[in-house]
Amino acid sequence: SQQGEEDPQALSIQEGENATMNCSYKTSINNLQWYRQNSGRGLVHLILIRSNEREKHSGRLRVTLDTSKKSSSLLITASRAADTASYFCATANHYGGATNKLIFGTGTLLAVQP
Amino acid sequence: DGGITQSPKYLFRKEGQNVTLSCEQNLNHDAMYWYRQDPGQGLRLIYYSQIVNDFQKGDIAEGYSVSREKKESFPLTVTSAQKNPTAFYLCASKLTAAGDYEQYFGPGTRLTVT
Repeated sequence: SQQGEEDPQALSIQEGENATMNCSYKTSINNLQWYRQNSGRGLVHLILIRSNEREKHSGRLRVTLDTSKKSSSLLITASRAADTASYFCATANHYGGATNKLIFGTGTLLAVQP
Repeated sequence: DGGITQSPKYLFRKEGQNVTLSCEQNLNHDAMYWYRQDPGQGLRLIYYSQIVNDFQKGDIAEGYSVSREKKESFPLTVTSAQKNPTAFYLCASKLTAAGDYEQYFGPGTRLTVT
């Protein structure tokens, strides 16, 4: 089952512009995470935001979480060609007791034109 | 140099053959995971292991089997019972199954069955 739905599915911007991706989910969560995947590679963790947090920053990344709307957004500022990748949100829920299981969305494909 | 390794990067098999994908981590993580990714899709959980000698089915376990005899190793066998085995397989590990931690991913194995 896929809980997260990213929007837009694809995004093309010019280098230097900001990129915003949105994620909506269905059930209550413990935390929400964003990952990046370059074509044909493994995923790289970007940022984790807990359910009691509303905003988090890491370098050029800013993540917000609105648990009342069950949504999150990832903002990449001053984008670079190297930011070209697929971006996935993943929600962590309790599963089978104390285990946190990640459920991934379908991803946003970001293309940054030089 | 800590991380997760998966081998091989590409694997080709004939229909009806079982195949085993390797996943090794030297991060001293308790939890390990196997995901399947189809083109343009997010990740779906096949099996996970919270600790050595333990594993549980994920969302799409049918046609797959795993073992966790050592903390650092979590091999996945794709059996002939798996109806659509061609996919990109990703292994991940996490410090502990519970807790707000990120998952660390290997580079993936692309399996093609003809």
